[in-house]
Amino acid sequence: AQKVTQAQTEISVVEKEDVTLDCVYETRDTTYYLFWYKQPPSGELVFLIRRNSFDEQNEISGRYSWNFQKSTSSFNFTITASQVVDSAVYFCALSEDTGRRALTFGSGTRLQVQP
Amino acid sequence: EPEVTQTPSHQVTQMGQEVILRCVPISNHLYFYWYRQILGQKVEFLVSFYNNEISEKSEIFDDQFSVERPDGSNFTLKIRSTKLEDSAMYFCASYPGQGREKLFFGSGTQLSVL
Repeated sequence: AQKVTQAQTEISVVEKEDVTLDCVYETRDTTYYLFWYKQPPSGELVFLIRRNSFDEQNEISGRYSWNFQKSTSSFNFTITASQVVDSAVYFCALSEDTGRRALTFGSGTRLQVQP
Repeated sequence: EPEVTQTPSHQVTQMGQEVILRCVPISNHLYFYWYRQILGQKVEFLVSFYNNEISEKSEIFDDQFSVERPDGSNFTLKIRSTKLEDSAMYFCASYPGQGREKLFFGSGTQLSVL
């Protein structure tokens, strides 16, 4: 069975601080996909990134970066120079490589960025 | 960017009543999904639908739930006899297939069972 653990329930930072959100996953599949979604206070789910299990290159997109470490089954997300608009709940998710995208979500990390 | 549309955005019902949540997935997408999120909790997979049939379902998706794609554009989730614990945000999603990157989520229907 698949499992995603986000141990940090809530993080509070001050604007311009860097923050890392942790994600640890469990799967018996050799091929799988990892995702990060953002859920702002308005409630929708905003796609941030997908990474497949064969691609361990770190990814950077503006202030966002992701560190995928297969050896530790982790897919951590860092926001550099955080802004108030980054305040949201962030979910890490996992799906097997069927293309069907039945995602297993973690419990989420609530990020509060104070001005 | 194309969108998945869900209606209504909020629905209030009495316990024991039937509800139908509606979704219009993105046209030419092949896979359709329902997820739910109980307030303050994680998003949970309910069911996936492909080629006019259920392709996968979770333990949550019991006999009181059903899905349908009645007319080639709408995708519905029916809850036959609602319980208090069915109160949640229900998200519809669609996926084009063919190894594309993104699962597209709708903005959700908040269901309140009184």
